Amino acid sequence: DTGVSQDPRHKITKRGQNVTFRCDPISEHNRLYWYRQTLGQGPEFLTYFQNEAQLEKSRLLSDRFSAERPKGSFSTLEIQRTEQGDSAMYLCASSRQGPYNEQFFGPGTRLTVL
Amino acid sequence: DQQVKQNSPSLSVQEGRISILNCDYTNSMFDYFLWYKKYPAEGPTFLISISSIKDKNEDGRFTVFLNKSAKHLSLHIVPSQPGDSAVYFCAAKSGGTSYGKLTFGQGTILTVHP
Repeated sequence: DTGVSQDPRHKITKRGQNVTFRCDPISEHNRLYWYRQTLGQGPEFLTYFQNEAQLEKSRLLSDRFSAERPKGSFSTLEIQRTEQGDSAMYLCASSRQGPYNEQFFGPGTRLTVL
Repeated sequence: DQQVKQNSPSLSVQEGRISILNCDYTNSMFDYFLWYKKYPAEGPTFLISISSIKDKNEDGRFTVFLNKSAKHLSLHIVPSQPGDSAVYFCAAKSGGTSYGKLTFGQGTILTVHP
């Protein structure tokens, strides 16, 4: 199976620590997206890459958040100086290029900030 | 500003009957709509989509209806099966943008009883 994979699946950290998540998209997909989902809500868009270029960032993505996709394949999302409000499910998705292609989601990384 | 709303947090249906999940949107620029299903501890799974040039799209037991004048879409599942029990999200995308950022509703928990 060559679906979207994310690592780790769960992360517990203390407030103030830095965390980094990894996403490996479907190999032939050149678009990669990060979303955040909190309890009782739908996923909220964070940022988007086409190949290695980060083309859009949501206002939700504060200065403590940074995302990279250095070679246009896997992506990392780093959160610096974590806060309890960062606790959420972080979802990665990928898609082919084109306006009407569905996005395929990974299983997510559950972050808990103590 | 919730641009995509699913006003029913939950729906309970008997096996074999029809499930109807509803979604309303406010942004008239949305031109592509998708439904995703999510099981616990998994990422959302794409179900079915519809372009704004259509008013109906079918895929097996799943049919999506779009009423642009009312800014309303619905997902019909016939017949409903216990394995359909999950959280269902509708999502929408704006026309004129190439990156495909999705805006999600809050989700509806569907429970299908045997």
